[in-house]
Amino acid sequence: DVQLVQPGAEVKKPGESLKISCETSGYSFTNYWIAWVRQMPGRGLEWMGIIYPGDSDIKYSPSFQGQVTISADKSISTAYLQWSSLKASDTAMYYCARLRGGMDVWGQGTTVIVSS
Amino acid sequence: QPVLTQSSSASASLGSSVKLTCTLSSGHSSSIIAWHQQQPGKAPRYLMKVERSGSYNKGSGVPDRFSGSSSGADRYLTISNLQSEDEADYYCETWDTNTRVFGGGTKLTVL
Repeated sequence: DVQLVQPGAEVKKPGESLKISCETSGYSFTNYWIAWVRQMPGRGLEWMGIIYPGDSDIKYSPSFQGQVTISADKSISTAYLQWSSLKASDTAMYYCARLRGGMDVWGQGTTVIVSS
Repeated sequence: QPVLTQSSSASASLGSSVKLTCTLSSGHSSSIIAWHQQQPGKAPRYLMKVERSGSYNKGSGVPDRFSGSSSGADRYLTISNLQSEDEADYYCETWDTNTRVFGGGTKLTVL
């Protein structure tokens, strides 16, 4: 079975850094794009960016360019989303998803809470 | 880049059918879209992709009650024999070379 596993929650203070993971299994990690999607409380889905682990090609949504960094480690079939300095407005649920045309398999999401 | 338009809400009775619409913006009427279901408090789940021709390809384990179709720039998700667990938010998604786009989502209430 294809699986994307994400940690459940992270609680941070404004200004802190954070790197969340998306551990994949059950398919060839380097052959499919992985997407990151934000969902703020009570809101819809927003595409943040995508990465192709085979060659680390990355495309960011203009709304998130410069705000986050997407990366991947082929050796452990894991994708990452990171912030260098969190803001309260980064409080949201973050999902990773495999791309096969559309986003055909989703992780269960990581809740990020940024509060002083 | 493409824009997807969805009604914000829909409702239908238990056991009936409902047809949800996702409309592609001008210049993108031939695009493929994907439908996703998000039940309350859960991660989104891929349901199917729908092509301009109306052909659709469902994800693993998606019940037969779910089907897709197409007309012009509109892509549809039809749910037959509505069940209580179908009460959820439904999002459409499309993409091109450098971007992915979601519709605003339709909140489906099962009466």
